[in-house]
Amino acid sequence: AQSVAQPEDQVNVAEGNPLTVKCTYSVSGNPYLFWYVQYPNRGLQFLLKYITGDNLVKGSYGFEAEFNKSQTSFHLKKPSALVSDSALYFCAVRDKGDSNYQLIWGAGTKLIIKP
Amino acid sequence: GAVVSQHPSWVICKSGTSVKIECRSLDFQATTMFWYRQFPKQSLMLMATSNEGSKATYEQGVEKDKFLINHASLTLSTLTVTSAHPEDSSFYICSASTGLGVQPQHFGDGTRLSIL
Repeated sequence: AQSVAQPEDQVNVAEGNPLTVKCTYSVSGNPYLFWYVQYPNRGLQFLLKYITGDNLVKGSYGFEAEFNKSQTSFHLKKPSALVSDSALYFCAVRDKGDSNYQLIWGAGTKLIIKP
Repeated sequence: GAVVSQHPSWVICKSGTSVKIECRSLDFQATTMFWYRQFPKQSLMLMATSNEGSKATYEQGVEKDKFLINHASLTLSTLTVTSAHPEDSSFYICSASTGLGVQPQHFGDGTRLSIL
């Protein structure tokens, strides 16, 4: 069965420190991987995606993510956190063979950046 | 680019009322649109996938007669919650995809539905 795991319900980081939001996945084929961010009472905003090629993907707002095939992980990172990064973050995966373009979603991780 | 507009953003209505939510792709053609439901502090639950001009594909457990989805054009999909009851109160979010390559889904800002 295809699944996405975000093992941390909440991550607390001090402003200026590096942050990591973890994501691991399980798909039958090769994955496309995505990170989205959700601010309160809003829809989701796309941050970045991995399709193929370089394992380190750079996205919006200074975020990046590293695809690790052997560990089936796609952790989201940022070198220096901002208070405005506080939000809910979702990891999602799509099987390359899925013609419906459906995404399998993680449960979400609440990121809290403290001043 | 890739803007999705969802309307209304907030609805409060009486039990038994039918509510229509619109999802429009403003600057691209969306061959596929998705409707999600999100409960407080939870992830997105996919309700249905709709392709322009064809019937929506509903996820298991989602009542198609309760949640009517129409995707009549490449820029508009609607979700109608028929005879809404308090248990239908939730945050509904739509997303749209061009279906080209590996484009991400682009999301509307969601609709907060409260049934009294």
